[in-house]
Amino acid sequence: DAKTTQPTSMDCAEGRAANLPCNHSTISGNEYVYWYRQIHSQGPQYIIHGLKNNETNEMASLIITEDRKSSTLILPHATLRDTAVYYCIVRVAKNSGGSNYKLTFGKGTLLTVNP
Amino acid sequence: DGGITQSPKYLFRKEGQNVTLSCEQNLNHDAMYWYRQDPGQGLRLIYYSQIVNDFQKGDIAEGYSVSREKKESFPLTVTSAQKNPTAFYLCASSASGAITGELFFGEGSRLTVL
Repeated sequence: DAKTTQPTSMDCAEGRAANLPCNHSTISGNEYVYWYRQIHSQGPQYIIHGLKNNETNEMASLIITEDRKSSTLILPHATLRDTAVYYCIVRVAKNSGGSNYKLTFGKGTLLTVNP
Repeated sequence: DGGITQSPKYLFRKEGQNVTLSCEQNLNHDAMYWYRQDPGQGLRLIYYSQIVNDFQKGDIAEGYSVSREKKESFPLTVTSAQKNPTAFYLCASSASGAITGELFFGEGSRLTVL
């Protein structure tokens, strides 16, 4: 699976949009981009995933560049409860064969939402 | 409600003792996973199982053992051979039929070796 690079930490003001970047320059054509977050001492929580097109759900939006070498997770109106470590992961789809059941988590970005 | 239950939440053990962490899911998922997390670090994969009675080593399997006798259960034993077992342990599951395989995590078990 391709590697990802994320900033170690970011700050955001409450009520503003939080934009979390992720570089995945070695991503393959059949690899998805996933985002999870982990609030302190809890299990990670799935946020969103995408392949090529931008995606939006009730939690966030995912913007993937046209060359797919980077992406941005957007939390449109950050709250104090969004303070967490955010993980960007790339992985092949499960029906592509190989070790496709594994997700590899790096150190992520610690997002701190300030009042 | 459907989900993954890990127990115990906190566990203390003396050096040289084996300890077993429980992971149960009622999501009818085929695949289950165990990850280890150390302070300030990401998650590292210990073992995973794609189907009952089958499991594979992850990136840091030494000193650990697992079993998958039932679809809903995937216990992890931390043996005395694990040199630095103090850590936060996370269990997860995913549905095999889903193309993208979103992982669902439990709340974790924190093991401290005294």
